[in-house]
Amino acid sequence: EDQVTQSPEALRLQEGESSSLNCSYTVSGLRGLFWYRQDPGKGPEFLFTLYSAGEEKEKERLKATLTKKESFLHITAPKPEDSATYLCAVQAAGTASKLTFGTGTRLQVTL
Amino acid sequence: DVKVTQSSRYLVKRTGEKVFLECVQDMDHENMFWYRQDPGLGLRLIYFSYDVKMKEKGDIPEGYSVSREKKERFSLILESASTNQTSMYLCASRRTGYTDTQYFGPGTRLTVL
Repeated sequence: EDQVTQSPEALRLQEGESSSLNCSYTVSGLRGLFWYRQDPGKGPEFLFTLYSAGEEKEKERLKATLTKKESFLHITAPKPEDSATYLCAVQAAGTASKLTFGTGTRLQVTL
Repeated sequence: DVKVTQSSRYLVKRTGEKVFLECVQDMDHENMFWYRQDPGLGLRLIYFSYDVKMKEKGDIPEGYSVSREKKERFSLILESASTNQTSMYLCASRRTGYTDTQYFGPGTRLTVL
């Protein structure tokens, strides 16, 4: 059974204090790993897709990396507007369109 | 830009009522999905559809049904709402292809009293 575990559950950072969120996964053949951002009461917003170990993608203060067992979302010099829940999901090869989600990391960035 | 819209942001229904949640996407995507999201449980797949008139059960289909008569529209039906179906319901769509990215709507917060 595919599994996704995100840590920490919650993270509080001061503005400018860089950190990383972790997504560990167990999947029978990875087709893709996805990162989403979700603001309270809203739907997830797509950030990145990673397909193979060693791949990296960046967007503004966010950088996602992938190994064979985990993915990291690095946040460099965060701002209060980066506060949100960050979700990780995996798609296994041969599972058509099904995604398995982690429970998310709730990030709060304070001044 | 992909746009997925859901018919209601908030909905309050009574136990036993039949409830319809509608989702529309404007990007001609073949695949559409319904999830529910609960604290501590994450997003769980209820049903999905590969194309018009096609449907597949997800992980938690009990108590739900779906309808897809047109490509852009995917409806979730709660045949007889129960209090344990109080949740955030999220619709997503995706184009069939290598990128596999699912794009989500804003969600419907359903409360069943």
